[in-house]
This record gives sequence, structure tokens and C-alpha cells, in this order.
Amino acid sequence: GAVVSQHPSRVICKSGTSVKIECRSLDFQATTMFWYRQFPKQSLMLMATSNEGSKATYEQGVEKDKFLINHASLTLSTLTVTSAHPEDSSFYICSARAGDLGETQYFGPGTRLLVL
Amino acid sequence: AQSVTQLDSHVSVSEGTPVLLRCNYSSSYSPSLFWYVQHPNKGLQLLLKYTSAATLVKGINGFEAEFKKSETSFHLTKPSAHMSDAAEYFCVVSAFNDYKLSFGAGTTVTVRA
Repeated sequence: GAVVSQHPSRVICKSGTSVKIECRSLDFQATTMFWYRQFPKQSLMLMATSNEGSKATYEQGVEKDKFLINHASLTLSTLTVTSAHPEDSSFYICSARAGDLGETQYFGPGTRLLVL
Repeated sequence: AQSVTQLDSHVSVSEGTPVLLRCNYSSSYSPSLFWYVQHPNKGLQLLLKYTSAATLVKGINGFEAEFKKSETSFHLTKPSAHMSDAAEYFCVVSAFNDYKLSFGAGTTVTVRA
């Protein structure tokens, strides 16, 4: 149980385009979802926290107009990288937490974004 | 506020020998502590967690960790390393009732045949 999926697993796009990444909790309802960014050989950096039906809370230094987060249902959150640039290239990982599963966060497999 | 320090950026062991990954934490409140493993280009998998129950926590794949409040440590061990244990390991802390996770910098484990 407690499986989180992400789609796509890998995406290459041109500079200036927008990219949407989906995060789904497959067998539980996620009251809270988190989006992280990971640069090569580095740890995960929390970008934002989203609760179903409300606006996401962004960490300091993360542009909310650049990284649009929508958590429309208890099993789906999306991250849209708008007007992507090469410096947005990174590994994006989501996680999900369900209240009845405690405080453990379950992580998706990640999405590798390359902006040319 | 909470934070985690992983004392070793890289650990290299021979297959069949013990593995020790060291982690110290800082937290204003009773912490929850986790160890996650990440294989190349993959997401994170939970190995084990401590949430104020037994101080010796057993996880998957033969890993265990001991919570020592007096030393503010949560070291991860495995008695016998396997080639498949080669990966990146993250020690993670969250404060009580705060669902934000603070990650350590990670420890890369390599296993020699």
C-alpha cells in the first residue's frame, strides 16, 4: 500500500514552453502533497506544500507564478513549470501524506525535466 | 526548527561486511526521524521510521536504527551489506505535528564485491 506515482517520468521541452507534472496517490487519499526539487548529487529541497482544495504554501525563494501547483482532489496534485528555462532543469519529486497513515510521507518516483 | 547532519558523505564497504551510516539531529520538539533510500534516478523509499515508540527501530532489507536522545543521534546499520544496497541514503527529521521534512545532505554507499 501507500503508492505514489508521477507522470511523466522524463520530459524534454523547449525553453519558453510550459510543462505539467502529475502526482497521484494510488491507494490512499492524500490530505497533503509536497513538491521537492533535487539537483544532481544534492539533497531534496522542499518547494511547496499543498492541501486538497486550498492554495499551496510555497517555501521562501520559490516563485509561485513560475511553479503552479494545483491539488484538485485527494489523489491528484499537479505542478506546472511555466515558461521553462534551462535553469529549471532538475529532478522533481512529489510526496503524499494521508492523515490516517500518520506523518510518513510516501514519495513518487520523480520526474526528470530537461529544458533545452 | 529542526535539522539533520549526516556525518559521512560517502561510505564504501565490502559485500558481506557491516554498514554504519551516521546521523545527528537537532529539534526543538520530540522529533520523528526517518531513513530513506534513493537508487539512481528513482524516488525515495522509506527504510524505517522512529516516532517515539521503541528506540531500536527495525526496517526493511535488514536495516535498523537506534534513537539515542542523549546523543541526538539516529544511526543506521545493517550487519551484512549486499550489492543492491549501493544507493543514496537520507536521514530525515520532522518535528511533532509539523509535517515538513528536513533532509540531511545524503550519504552515498558503494559496495565492493
